[in-house]
Formats: sequence, C-alpha cells, structure tokens
Amino acid sequence: DTGVSQDPRHKITKRGQNVTFRCDPISEHNRLYWYRQTLGQGPEFLTYFQNEAQLEKSRLLSDRFSAERPKGSFSTLEIQRTEQGDSAMYLCASSFTGTGGQETQYFGPGTRLLVL
Amino acid sequence: AQSVTQLDSHVSVSEGTPVLLRCNYSSSYSPSLFWYVQHPNKGLQLLLKYTSAATLVKGINGFEAEFKKSETSFHLTKPSAHMSDAAEYFCVVGLFEKLTFGTGTRLTIIP
Repeated sequence: DTGVSQDPRHKITKRGQNVTFRCDPISEHNRLYWYRQTLGQGPEFLTYFQNEAQLEKSRLLSDRFSAERPKGSFSTLEIQRTEQGDSAMYLCASSFTGTGGQETQYFGPGTRLLVL
Repeated sequence: AQSVTQLDSHVSVSEGTPVLLRCNYSSSYSPSLFWYVQHPNKGLQLLLKYTSAATLVKGINGFEAEFKKSETSFHLTKPSAHMSDAAEYFCVVGLFEKLTFGTGTRLTIIP
C-alpha cells in the first residue's frame, strides 16, 4: 500500500498525559499536513510542512501541540498535558508541489484520540 | 478568505434514484473545488476536483459536479444511487496549500 499511513489508529489516554502520533506520507510527496476533525464537523487545518520546514500553524494549534518532520519524510504530532477537549480524529495528508496549480491532498485513515 | 456551506447535513435517497448534494462556496480568488468522501473508519477519499478547466467535472464511482460561478455553487450529483454510496461527503474549497472543508453531508441509501 503506497498511501498515507498513520499510527496508531486509536489512542485512549488520561487527562494530563502526553501522546504522540506518527504520519508516513506518500513517498516523494514534499508537503505534509495535519488536520483535526471533531464529531459532526469537517476537518480543520492545524499545520503543514514543506520538506522539513513547518511553514504555517493554525491558531488552533496551542502551545501544548508540537509537530515535527525532521528528515522531510514522516512526521510526528505531539500533544502535551492532554485535555478532554483534545478528543478528536487527527488526520494527516500529503501532496506534491511541482507541476504548478492546485495540488491534491491525499489523506490517511486518521488517529482517533479519546482523552478520559 | 474562503468558506464553504453544505446546505444539507443529511440526505436520504432510495437505491437507484438520483443523488444531489448541495454546496455553495465563497472565495476572494478563483478557487479550486473538491468533493471528498469519508466512509466509516476509512480515510478521506478524493471524488473529484475542479481547477478552472471544464465546468462539468467527472469523478470516480459515477459522481460528477458542476461549477457555476454565477451561483457560487458546486453541487455533487449521481444518476443512480448505490448502497455503497452511503457515507459522509465533504465539499472543499482550496487555494494552493489551504483547504477549507464544509461541515459535511451524510448520505443514507434506502434499500
């Protein structure tokens, strides 16, 4: 399977704990995105990388959230001191920029987080 | 700024009848528009994409959408619904790296 993969698919944690999610993009895609989707809503943009550089962060991304893409391949999203409001589906997407025009983002299956 | 309004949160149709999912958009620039589908416990899958070429866009699984600039609409249609079409559908407006999603329309197919 050469699509976007995410690990874990499900995570249950207690309030105050730290969690880390991983995303592996489609190989050779230079852009990687993180979104959050809460129940009954569409995905909301959190942040994105072009290669190793984090180019934009949404105001939804509080100081407790940090994302990295150290080698321009996989990415991690860490949430420190989780709160119940962090419960959501975290989606990763990747795309390739190089042909110009509007790129297409391809999404992974998501990581569903439940904070108790 | 850009935004998307999906006019129906839930649509039910009988198997074999036409599907219409409505979407209106707002964008300061000439947007790209997408429809994505999300099946339970699966990732978002791209159905189709409009990028200022033909206004009638054909996608996968028999879906198509028509871009109407005068109405700022991008409605999704399918002539004949199949049970496997039951899912959540998202209309999306894009400007390069920025995607803005609608709140989704849940499509239910009645046997």
